[in-house]
Amino acid sequence: AQTVTQSQPEMSVQEAETVTLSCTYDTSENNYYLFWYKQPPSRQMILVIRQEAYKQQNATENRFSVNFQKAAKSFSLKISDSQLGDTAMYFCAFMKHVAQGAQKLVFGQGTRLTINP
Amino acid sequence: AAGVIQSPRHLIKEKRETATLKCYPIPRHDTVYWYQQGPGQDPQFLISFYEKMQSDKGSIPDRFSAQQFSDYHSELNMSSLELGDSALYFCASSPVQSGNTIYFGEGSWLTVV
Repeated sequence: AQTVTQSQPEMSVQEAETVTLSCTYDTSENNYYLFWYKQPPSRQMILVIRQEAYKQQNATENRFSVNFQKAAKSFSLKISDSQLGDTAMYFCAFMKHVAQGAQKLVFGQGTRLTINP
Repeated sequence: AAGVIQSPRHLIKEKRETATLKCYPIPRHDTVYWYQQGPGQDPQFLISFYEKMQSDKGSIPDRFSAQQFSDYHSELNMSSLELGDSALYFCASSPVQSGNTIYFGEGSWLTVV
């Protein structure tokens, strides 16, 4: 079974700083997908960024980028120029390549990120 | 853009009662998922449906059942409710291709008293 580990339960940085959230995973699969979801106080689950394991290039979305190290099974999220609205719980998630309709996300425990003014 | 619609958003039930949550996926998404997120927990996969058939099953209690209808909406039925069932229940949907992003609804808050 796949497992996802986020070793930082909480993090706190000042506004405009850069912060990196860690995520490691364990799988024997070769084809899979990785995601970061953000859950603000409203509790909505919002997709931040995704990475296909077969792509060597790290995904980026505006201020959000990942450092994907396939051999090390590591998938960290970097938030540049952090903003107050980035305050949220961040979940790393794994999805393996499976049959149609049978894919599901396995989540890490989450990292609570606070951006201070 | 249309999102996943869940109803009701909030629900309070007493122990041993029954609750039904509804989910309307994003148009042209034919896979629906149900997740349960307890207080301070990460979301746990309950069950999924593809083309109205159950496609995968996770840690869903026997007291819970779900189905997907011909219009692709899904319902999660929870019977003999227990205090521990109090949680945020997410419905999510995705297009059929493997690896496609799963999009979540805003969740339904269930409180069992």
